Amino acid sequence: TQLLEQSPQFLSIQEGENLTVYCNSSSVFSSLQWYRQEPGEGPVLLVTVVTGGEVKKLKRLTFQFGDARKDSSLHITAAQPGDTGLYLCAGMDTGGFKTIFGAGTRLFVKA
Amino acid sequence: NAGVTQTPKFQVLKTGQSMTLQCAQDMNHEYMSWYRQDPGMGLRLIHYSVGAGITDQGEVPNGYNVSRSTTEDFPLRLLSAAPSQTSVYFCASRRQRGDQPQHFGDGTRLSIL
Repeated sequence: TQLLEQSPQFLSIQEGENLTVYCNSSSVFSSLQWYRQEPGEGPVLLVTVVTGGEVKKLKRLTFQFGDARKDSSLHITAAQPGDTGLYLCAGMDTGGFKTIFGAGTRLFVKA
Repeated sequence: NAGVTQTPKFQVLKTGQSMTLQCAQDMNHEYMSWYRQDPGMGLRLIHYSVGAGITDQGEVPNGYNVSRSTTEDFPLRLLSAAPSQTSVYFCASRRQRGDQPQHFGDGTRLSIL
């Protein structure tokens, strides 16, 4: 069974601080996605990374896929209260049919 | 553009009752899936479908049935509800390729007493 371990589970920081969320597995994934979820809503895709070593930037968010395609990280620079939410990593198995989600990182950014 | 629509948004059932959670998408996506989300456990895949007439099991399929008679609809049936099935259920759809973004509904919050 493929597992994705996400850390930390909870993060409370001040506005302007930087943070990194990690997503690790012993399994190889064909692609990895990061979602953000607001209360009462479904997750919304932020980014998909496909190639080992790939780095993608989305404004203040930087996403990296590990060289071996087993891990990923999300780095937020100068966090803002609007970044508050649940961040989920999700790996696509090599068959392309099943998505495995991490348990999520709940981020709270204080003004 | 409605995207993925789930009904109902909330439901309370008694143990042993059956129920169908509805999911419809208007994006002509081939792939649809059902997840449950429990505190501290992320989303877990229940069942998925790669097209009309084709379904398969995910990580936690026991106690749930699905069918896919049309591209648009993918209902999830609870055969005999149990308290362990209390959860928030999400339906999602995407294009067939695995790296395509999944579009989620807003969820159904289900409580089993």
